[in-house]
Amino acid sequence: AQSVAQPEDQVNVAEGNPLTVKCTYSVSGNPYLFWYVQYPNRGLQFLLKYITGDNLVKGSYGFEAEFNKSQTSFHLKKPSALVSDSALYFCAVRDMYSGGGADGLTFGKGTHLIIQP
Amino acid sequence: EAQVTQNPRYLITVTGKKLTVTCSQNMNHEYMSWYRQDPGLGLRQIYYSMNVEVTDKGDVPEGYKVSRKEKRNFPLILESPSPNQTSLYFCASSPGADTQYFGPGTRLTVL
Repeated sequence: AQSVAQPEDQVNVAEGNPLTVKCTYSVSGNPYLFWYVQYPNRGLQFLLKYITGDNLVKGSYGFEAEFNKSQTSFHLKKPSALVSDSALYFCAVRDMYSGGGADGLTFGKGTHLIIQP
Repeated sequence: EAQVTQNPRYLITVTGKKLTVTCSQNMNHEYMSWYRQDPGLGLRQIYYSMNVEVTDKGDVPEGYKVSRKEKRNFPLILESPSPNQTSLYFCASSPGADTQYFGPGTRLTVL
């Protein structure tokens, strides 16, 4: 069975400082990894994904994530945080060999990111 | 505009009164899913569909039904809602083993 862990319920960062939101995963095969963001009263929005290739993935709004196979991690990062980055962030994983697109996507419990002015 | 729409956005109902939450996508995606979001539990998949007339259970299917008669629509049906189905529901679609596009959510309260 696959799983995702987001060890921090909340991360607080001062505006302008770098931020990291942690994610570790477990799959039996090779992973597809995703980060989504949810703003208050909104649906989830796609930020970035890792399928294969370069371990450093760049996404929307200046976010990036680094795939680390040995540590089974996919941490979300941004060099300089903005107050508008405050939101709920979800990491998700799917086993590359689990079949069709909609099944088998497992989400973490989410991390609240709070950027303080 | 490419989007996933859900209706209604908010619904308050009573135990046992059948309801349907509609979901529609205009991106010609084959794959569609329903999730529920609960505090501290993240998103959990209820049902998914890989194509018209092809549906399967996700992680928490009990108390829910779905149908996929057309490619664009994937309604979620609660035949006899109970208070433990009070939650925030999201529909999503995807072109395949890739990014999912989420609807705006339906907040359901069952009294």
